[in-house]
Amino acid sequence: SAVISQKPSRDICQRGTSLTIQCQVDSQVTMMFWYRQQPGQSLTLIATANQGSEATYESGFVIDKFPISRPNLTFSTLTVSNMSPEDSSIYLCSARLRREGWVEQFFGPGTRLTVL
Amino acid sequence: GQQLNQSPQSMFIQEGEDVSMNCTSSSIFNTWLWYKQDPGEGPVLLIALYKAGELTSNGRLTAQFGITRKDSFLNISASIPSDVGIYFCAGRENTGTASKLTFGTGTRLQVTL
Repeated sequence: SAVISQKPSRDICQRGTSLTIQCQVDSQVTMMFWYRQQPGQSLTLIATANQGSEATYESGFVIDKFPISRPNLTFSTLTVSNMSPEDSSIYLCSARLRREGWVEQFFGPGTRLTVL
Repeated sequence: GQQLNQSPQSMFIQEGEDVSMNCTSSSIFNTWLWYKQDPGEGPVLLIALYKAGELTSNGRLTAQFGITRKDSFLNISASIPSDVGIYFCAGRENTGTASKLTFGTGTRLQVTL
């Protein structure tokens, strides 16, 4: 079964700094997604990472704040820029892939970010 | 935007009891998914539903795709302590690979011995 991994698993950062989160899938996938999950909340889609083109952002999320790279079909990064305490969340990478008999959307373990 | 409302918001049940939760939408979906999230982990896919009226089981879990396409139900039979977690429904409007998932508000399940 394909596996989605993320690095780092957690980090504590200072206000005003930036953090880049990496997502690696062990098979080639067309669709990769980045989600934010604020404390005690549901998942909100930030953007769809497109290979070879710019990411597609959802309403309320902008490229300057959340730049995304997708250099190939197995890897993507999300940067949280100029962080503030309101950015403290779990950031989740997701990909549509074949696993356990489904072709569906699966998630990585998440990156827990705390901004002081 | 679309919203998926889940109920109940939280549940406290005893081990061995059956659990029911549901998810309702203001618009029609063509795919319903149910995920479980343990503390500190990403969501894990439990069941996928692709056809209105479909009833699908995965072990002790059973889920149904509502006839109206605006709701879905998840049942857990004979709950055990490892069922503890947050359950999310998710809906997809279109069947194409580019279509996005909308997530429900979540149901937090606590199981007491």
